Amino acid sequence: DAGITQSPRYKITETGRQVTLMCHQTWSHSYMFWYRQDLGHGLRLIYYSAAADITDKGEVPDGYVVSRSKTENFPLTLESATRSQTSVYFCASIGKDSLRSEAFFGQGTRLTVV
Amino acid sequence: SQQGEEDPQALSIQEGENATMNCSYKTSINNLQWYRQNSGRGLVHLILIRSNEREKHSGRLRVTLDTSKKSSSLLITASRAADTASYFCAPSQGGSEKLVFGKGTKLTVNP
Repeated sequence: DAGITQSPRYKITETGRQVTLMCHQTWSHSYMFWYRQDLGHGLRLIYYSAAADITDKGEVPDGYVVSRSKTENFPLTLESATRSQTSVYFCASIGKDSLRSEAFFGQGTRLTVV
Repeated sequence: SQQGEEDPQALSIQEGENATMNCSYKTSINNLQWYRQNSGRGLVHLILIRSNEREKHSGRLRVTLDTSKKSSSLLITASRAADTASYFCAPSQGGSEKLVFGKGTKLTVNP
């Protein structure tokens, strides 16, 4: 199916464990993003990527690692999860045409760190 | 890229009324977008207005852009309960495509 999908939708993990959130898009969009959303903070950009093998930090990158070996995938890894990383995570993508910069969002991953 | 700041943070109106929310930003832009987020869901793109446009319409949505004041407004006419959502603006300088969002305006439309 065409679109942008995140997996898993829900995840409970323990403090200190490594966890990877997956994001896959089928449009071959150049740009991909990871955000976290917490009450009172809106959406905060964690990392973004302009193309395969090109990634850059956003506003809140500490504690997260990303990779982009293929254009369609942009996994987000929490190397050692902490309770403060309990949040809803959204992935998004944009095509390269900067005149039409509409972003498409995934359904979100609700992560709870206990 | 830059972050827009939405105002008010929360807005509560009755069904049928109009809802207006505003967005301010700091530096020159190529375009500005508005997004809607229903509770617990991903953001959905509503409308994009370019820097050389002053007003744009899409159904019950009307967006204005005043580049001299570095501000934009989103008007939803004849609101419905289904319009209850958070609304975010995203000013963009184009090029880098780094998309940053503010805290949004939480709109509640009471039936």
